[in-house]
Amino acid sequence: NAGVTQTPKFQVLKTGQSMTLQCAQDMNHEYMSWYRQDPGMGLRLIHYSVGAGITDQGEVPNGYNVSRSTTEDFPLRLLSAAPSQTSVYFCASSYSSTGVSNYGYTFGSGTRLTVV
Amino acid sequence: AQSVTQLDSHVSVSEGTPVLLRCNYSSSYSPSLFWYVQHPNKGLQLLLKYTSAATLVKGINGFEAEFKKSETSFHLTKPSAHMSDAAEYFCVVSDRDYKLSFGAGTTVTVRA
Repeated sequence: NAGVTQTPKFQVLKTGQSMTLQCAQDMNHEYMSWYRQDPGMGLRLIHYSVGAGITDQGEVPNGYNVSRSTTEDFPLRLLSAAPSQTSVYFCASSYSSTGVSNYGYTFGSGTRLTVV
Repeated sequence: AQSVTQLDSHVSVSEGTPVLLRCNYSSSYSPSLFWYVQHPNKGLQLLLKYTSAATLVKGINGFEAEFKKSETSFHLTKPSAHMSDAAEYFCVVSDRDYKLSFGAGTTVTVRA
């Protein structure tokens, strides 16, 4: 089925470990983004990309890196995991960065990350 | 700058009664507004969106929302709640095409 695929669905890390959360979409969407969801805070933007080779920081970028080498993939890297990064992470994409208001976002099903 | 305030963190209704979820926004530009729903352990699903066309917007599953510029509100309603409506609901604003601001969410409980 077409959509946004996130892997893994669950992950437990020890403090200081690094890992990459994967996000792939097969809809040829131009815009991709990463959000984290914490109780009582809604979703907050971590990083986003308006096309291959172009990325920028969102509201809460510290401790995370991204790259966009292809249109389809937008991985999120945790450099040195901290307990404060325990959260649910969502990847979202949209057909066009200049038309989100018309096309809306498609969200992945999320990655639940626990850092101990 | 843009922001969203969802006025109720939790709403409890009886099955078959109306649902009202309140949302106020602030925006420096003409905003686009969305409501998303998240069922337990699931991703987010778009319920409806306002993009400067009709102020009364109809969405999926019988939900609708009314954009009121004078009140900077975008409240979500449904005439008759169903058990399957139990979920968390997010009001979202965008005044620049690719940046969304989410409210903190409203959890809806439906009593049998």
